[in-house]
Amino acid sequence: TQLLEQSPQFLSIQEGENLTVYCNSSSVFSSLQWYRQEPGEGPVLLVTVVTGGEVKKLKRLTFQFGDARKDSSLHITAAQPGDTGLYLCAYGSGGSNYKLTFGKGTLLTVNP
Amino acid sequence: DTGVSQNPRHKITKRGQNVTFRCDPISEHNRLYWYRQTLGQGPEFLTYFQNEAQLEKSRLLSDRFSAERPKGSFSTLEIQRTEQGDSAMYLCASSPSGGVIDTQYFGPGTRLTVL
Repeated sequence: TQLLEQSPQFLSIQEGENLTVYCNSSSVFSSLQWYRQEPGEGPVLLVTVVTGGEVKKLKRLTFQFGDARKDSSLHITAAQPGDTGLYLCAYGSGGSNYKLTFGKGTLLTVNP
Repeated sequence: DTGVSQNPRHKITKRGQNVTFRCDPISEHNRLYWYRQTLGQGPEFLTYFQNEAQLEKSRLLSDRFSAERPKGSFSTLEIQRTEQGDSAMYLCASSPSGGVIDTQYFGPGTRLTVL
């Protein structure tokens, strides 16, 4: 099983600040997914990155897949309290990449 | 489309008791997954169904755990003789088949506390 290391583990910031969280590995992936999980709920898929160097934007969230497809980052601009949650990266294996392996996540708290 | 539902949302039981959780996937999703998530960890894969067939089981799924999906619709996860180490959030997800990359939709989870 390939390991996904997420950093930082915890992040507490004020509303309006920018932040970046990371998902790193020594392995090459065909794709990586980012999820957000709110307390007491299941993870919700935010994005899938497939191509090395790819950048995807989802409103104030910017996702980047490393050129070597070993790492990914998530940048949030002007964070809001609604961004609070656990951000998880994951890779899939097996046919259709059905078997997801997750990192431990970054727990983000945005204070008003 | 009401999403994936799980029942109960919370379960408190005493060590040694049996518990059963239910998952109702999104209708017409023929793939169904179970994951377990402990505090400070990401979800860990437990098992996977394609319709009613259980195609893969993780080593995490000991003999005390059994999952079924008898008619290819809802699924149940039973834990026999629960142990304190079984305390976790049990997540269910479903997806349609086909496509290069699976997109899994997660339910809200069942939080199990074993006293």
